[in-house]
Amino acid sequence: SAVISQKPSRDICQRGTSLTIQCQVDSQVTMMFWYRQQPGQSLTLIATANQGSEATYESGFVIDKFPISRPNLTFSTLTVSNMSPEDSSIYLCSVIWGDYGYTFGSGTRLTVV
Amino acid sequence: AQSVSQHNHHVILSEAASLELGCNYSYGGTVNLFWYVQYPGQHLQLLLKYFSGDPLVKGIKGFEAEFIKSKFSFNLRKPSVQWSDTAEYFCAVNANNNNDMRFGAGTRLTVKP
Repeated sequence: SAVISQKPSRDICQRGTSLTIQCQVDSQVTMMFWYRQQPGQSLTLIATANQGSEATYESGFVIDKFPISRPNLTFSTLTVSNMSPEDSSIYLCSVIWGDYGYTFGSGTRLTVV
Repeated sequence: AQSVSQHNHHVILSEAASLELGCNYSYGGTVNLFWYVQYPGQHLQLLLKYFSGDPLVKGIKGFEAEFIKSKFSFNLRKPSVQWSDTAEYFCAVNANNNNDMRFGAGTRLTVKP
């Protein structure tokens, strides 16, 4: 399956600041997905990122809070803006990879203090 | 949009016990179904998937799942669990006309040695 690298793996940030998470895939993919996994909860889709167009956001998520870039077919970034403690979560990027379905990165564990 | 329900939040079993984790989805059309496992401190891994064909799907590590279309269910089973199966298990659904994945709330499995 595709190999996904996410950076940083974890970070502790001050409230009011922003963090940009990078996702690198070892193959070209059309769509990349960003998920959030809050403590003790399941995964929630934040947005779908296509190369060359604006990301499509799910209900409850907005571009001002979670701007996404998709400059090419192997890379994407998710920014968590103006952070508050409620944003503490694991953020994961994911791609569809043939018969494997969805492959996930190892995630970015964000703690906002 | 499709949704997924996992009714068991936490299951505790002794080694060698049999396991069945429930998963129900709501969507009227054709779906692809997945089970993912997340071991403590690790990222999501695909356990098994159903796209079409034989509704009894065999995955890794002795797990299997049965798709029952009339019941909108995709329950995960293992005849004899091991301590190393302790993990969080997520059922997920992807509708054929969508590209995003919807996850259930997850079931935490604890296997006592």
